[in-house]
Amino acid sequence: DSGVTQTPKHLITATGQRVTLRCSPRSGDLSVYWYQQSLDQGLQFLIQYYNGEERAKGNILERFSAQQFPDLHSELNLSSLELGDSALYFCASSSPGSNQPQHFGDGTRLSIL
Amino acid sequence: AQTVTQSQPEMSVQEAETVTLSCTYDTSESNYYLFWYKQPPSRQMILVIRQEAYKQQNATENRFSVNFQKAAKSFSLKISDSQLGDTAMYFCAFMKHVIGRDSNYQLIWGAGTKLIIKP
Repeated sequence: DSGVTQTPKHLITATGQRVTLRCSPRSGDLSVYWYQQSLDQGLQFLIQYYNGEERAKGNILERFSAQQFPDLHSELNLSSLELGDSALYFCASSSPGSNQPQHFGDGTRLSIL
Repeated sequence: AQTVTQSQPEMSVQEAETVTLSCTYDTSESNYYLFWYKQPPSRQMILVIRQEAYKQQNATENRFSVNFQKAAKSFSLKISDSQLGDTAMYFCAFMKHVIGRDSNYQLIWGAGTKLIIKP
């Protein structure tokens, strides 16, 4: 158990819809990262938050947005969903410091019908 | 720009054999961190091992060890006495220091190597 909690585990929805994925980081971790992993692909970094502030953006579409709340949990919002958005979405968290690895949640599997 | 290359898309070995997965990276930094993550069929991402560049000693975690060659920018993962449960995708990652208003660290990921352990 990594200590990172993601909900829901599975999500099935239709094209054009909007969904929200939720992540609770490990206790004490201030950084939250979101990744997208399509089938049999590597990890695509989407966005990072540190203590409530956006720190870095990767290949995140304009239809996607995220935020980190004062209690440090984070939400990833995906809107106007397309078939190609079907993927496994991971949240990871890390402690402050240069040598701290990222610890991953179990992911949310999003299926667009 | 920093990059991470895993040149072996897929490997397979017999159970109990030793296998080495390769990873090379490109950076101009002198101090950094490297990681190996494992993703079994369950799709969880699990940290396997990490190496600090300023340490010459290779990191070891039970049956997992690394061969870190700083000059060659190589960071291979050796799995000894491989087990069926080692079947997974293995990702190499380099921790990049992003210099800016606020110090920040991000992981640069390789494309992964699919490892199959055969009974």
